[in-house]
Amino acid sequence: GENVEQHPSTLSVQEGDSAVIKCTYSDSASNYFPWYKQELGKRPQLIIDIRSNVGEKKDQRIAVTLNKTAKHFSLHITETQPEDSAVYFCAASRSNYQLIWGAGTKLIIKP
Amino acid sequence: ETGVTQTPRHLVMGMTNKKSLKCEQHLGHNAMYWYKQSAKKPLELMFVYNFKEQTENNSVPSRFSPECPNSSHLFLHLHTLQPEDSALYLCASSQNPGPTSTDTQYFGPGTRLTVL
Repeated sequence: GENVEQHPSTLSVQEGDSAVIKCTYSDSASNYFPWYKQELGKRPQLIIDIRSNVGEKKDQRIAVTLNKTAKHFSLHITETQPEDSAVYFCAASRSNYQLIWGAGTKLIIKP
Repeated sequence: ETGVTQTPRHLVMGMTNKKSLKCEQHLGHNAMYWYKQSAKKPLELMFVYNFKEQTENNSVPSRFSPECPNSSHLFLHLHTLQPEDSALYLCASSQNPGPTSTDTQYFGPGTRLTVL
């Protein structure tokens, strides 16, 4: 079946440094790629998403890049802050189908 | 955030009990979802309802029984669960998951279920 692989499972970075989380997907027809953030004890919340007609999207310190040929997309967080500590999930879907989720990355920001 | 609410927030039940989880969305969405979230596993989609009709059932055991009386309410009825069913059960909603929708899903806070 379709799947989404997410790496790394845990990422520890120094406060102020950048963090990159990568996902690969198997369904070449996928055209929607959201990223969710789940803080400890809280619900997952959408932080950024991208559609297959663009290669990059930015929102302040967060950016997502998409490589359709290689079937992978990445989340970039610059100037990391303590409040960025959370579990991040990527997902992929194609029109009229459900989201396929990655396993999650636990991001730890070291002071 | 009160867009999607879930009750109860915590539930402890024995294997012979019958209980129900409730989800309510106040966003005017027409699709609702049940997910199971276990430690170190991807979010597992259990059920999808679109305009009150079940459109997906991801091979979920019959001890989980969903009910969607209207587009704003979703229930998950639990009966004779196993300890391995202990997990966080998340409800989500979205606008019609069609080809032109944004597909953004809004999650509730979840119900932490423990089966003894």
